[in-house]
Amino acid sequence: DQQVKQNSPSLSVQEGRISILNCDYTNSMFDYFLWYKKYPAEGPTFLISISSIKDKNEDGRFTVFLNKSAKHLSLHIVPSQPGDSAVYFCAASAGGGGADGLTFGKGTHLIIQP
Amino acid sequence: DTGVSQDPRHKITKRGQNVTFRCDPISEHNRLYWYRQTLGQGPEFLTYFQNEAQLEKSRLLSDRFSAERPKGSFSTLEIQRTEQGDSAMYLCASSPTTFPRGDEQFFGPGTRLTVL
Repeated sequence: DQQVKQNSPSLSVQEGRISILNCDYTNSMFDYFLWYKKYPAEGPTFLISISSIKDKNEDGRFTVFLNKSAKHLSLHIVPSQPGDSAVYFCAASAGGGGADGLTFGKGTHLIIQP
Repeated sequence: DTGVSQDPRHKITKRGQNVTFRCDPISEHNRLYWYRQTLGQGPEFLTYFQNEAQLEKSRLLSDRFSAERPKGSFSTLEIQRTEQGDSAMYLCASSPTTFPRGDEQFFGPGTRLTVL
């Protein structure tokens, strides 16, 4: 049973436009959410995170929105750049103690077209 | 700034052999994690160390998997009697106790295991 779901395996966006990546979760114990970016043959790179006490967190071109009642979060990238082409993983954490690790979705492959 | 390093980057082995992977975390990070990633999936949590103590190991995939972090610095993941289903990317991550909460984990490049 997937507790973190990324229902779009791939997304194609024109350079300069907004990319919106979506993520849904089912476990109510999750209280911290993260986005990671992964290039082929590399490990995931941390992008941005959000605590469940917030509904928005911004870092440069990246903004994460959290809708707790809908158990939904999204990552907005504005403007999209060619270097943003990668697989993006949504991840969730419960309790912050580390012992449960992070629970990841299957990822969305973002393709930025020139 | 040295990130998480893993060795080897690639390992090809025959079914039934034992393999061991090494992870060197970011030096000031006391938390260390191992994950497995198979094709088309996100990373799957395996085990967690706080300093040298292994605080979570129930998620290791079978008793053929074991991990150590003897001095609270580097860690090793061993798979005994490898099976073809063990073929995957094995990722190591580390985090400080607070960043601000310690949920953010920093990953190494992974070890790609192929079992023939």
